Amino acid sequence: GAVVSQHPSWVICKSGTSVKIECRSLDFQATTMFWYRQFPKQSLMLMATSNEGSKATYEQGVEKDKFLINHASLTLSTLTVTSAHPEDSSFYICSAREGGPQHFGDGTRLSIL
Amino acid sequence: TQLLEQSPQFLSIQEGENLTVYCNSSSVFSSLQWYRQEPGEGPVLLVTVVTGGEVKKLKRLTFQFGDARKDSSLHITAAQPGDTGLYLCAGDGTGTASKLTFGTGTRLQVTL
Repeated sequence: GAVVSQHPSWVICKSGTSVKIECRSLDFQATTMFWYRQFPKQSLMLMATSNEGSKATYEQGVEKDKFLINHASLTLSTLTVTSAHPEDSSFYICSAREGGPQHFGDGTRLSIL
Repeated sequence: TQLLEQSPQFLSIQEGENLTVYCNSSSVFSSLQWYRQEPGEGPVLLVTVVTGGEVKKLKRLTFQFGDARKDSSLHITAAQPGDTGLYLCAGDGTGTASKLTFGTGTRLQVTL
């Protein structure tokens, strides 16, 4: 159990476009979801925490207007990278928890040309 | 800001060797988790340690939580190529909305 599905797994798009990444908890209700960013050969950096039905809490230095997070249901959270630029290229990972440990998705590799 | 420093950052060893990875912080955590991550995938939870001084074993992997719950170690006995990956420790706070603070990571490469 406790499967988190992330979609898409890989996306390539042109500079200036917006990209939406979905994170779904398949067999449990996630009261809290987390979004991380990971650069090559580095660790995970928390971007924001989202609770169902409320605004996301962003970490210091993360632009909330750049990285829009919506957590409309207990099984779905989305991250939209608006007006993406090459420096936004990275590996984005979500996780979800119902009350116990966080369960991680398989990540989305975003490449902006 | 809570920081978790891992050492070494990179380790390349031959099959059959033993190794230890350290995870140190100046902060106290309610629990500490160890993950292993392969390229292009999300981290996979290996173990959670909760009690100061706790030792857990998972086959050839031994995890220890420091008495003060500020540090932890991961020891691998007789490493195998399948152990290759990025090892991450992560400290957890309290409550359902608590955040994980990830360590700096240790990249392990085990060769034949």
